[in-house]
Amino acid sequence: AQRVTQPEKLLSVFKGAPVELKCNYSYSGSPELFWYVQYSRQRLQLLLRHISRESIKGFTADLNKGETSFHLKKPFAQEEDSAMYYCALSTIIQGAQKLVFGQGTRLTINP
Amino acid sequence: KAGVTQTPRYLIKTRGQQVTLSCSPISGHRSVSWYQQTPGQGLQFLFEYFSETQRNKGNFPGRFSGRQFSNSRSEMNVSTLELGDSALYLCASSLGRRALDEQYFGPGTRLTVT
Repeated sequence: AQRVTQPEKLLSVFKGAPVELKCNYSYSGSPELFWYVQYSRQRLQLLLRHISRESIKGFTADLNKGETSFHLKKPFAQEEDSAMYYCALSTIIQGAQKLVFGQGTRLTINP
Repeated sequence: KAGVTQTPRYLIKTRGQQVTLSCSPISGHRSVSWYQQTPGQGLQFLFEYFSETQRNKGNFPGRFSGRQFSNSRSEMNVSTLELGDSALYLCASSLGRRALDEQYFGPGTRLTVT
């Protein structure tokens, strides 16, 4: 069965400090992983996906198949990074994408 | 371009009633997915529609159903409402041409069952 685990429900760091949001997954196939973010009073939106290997808003995430992890990192946190972050695993059935989400981590950046 | 819209935004129903939620995808998007979000279970996949056909379904009872119209708008219906159905229901649309097309989420419909 597919499963995504985000071990930290809450994470609080100071502005300028490094941030790492943890995500572990369980999937027998070849994983496609995403990070979604929800800022206060905004809708859920895609932050980044592992296949793009890009940095968005200073965030990066590396897929580690050996450790089945997809941790989200940013070297210097900013106050506007405060939000709810969800790690998601994409599974494909009959050509349709189904996202399996972790429980989310609420990140708070303190001034 | 206009984003995904969902109506109504808030809804209060009584146990045993039924409810219909609506989702209008981004213009040109043919795939619509529905998710249920609760504090206890998080975000859970309900079903996905593409070109009026349900391609994928999550582990929800048969009381949860949906459909998609020829203009790609989608509705989901919950019959015989239970208290546990109180949740935020999100829909997401995508082009649907490739399995990994980005999903764009709507603001959600907050359903409260009393």
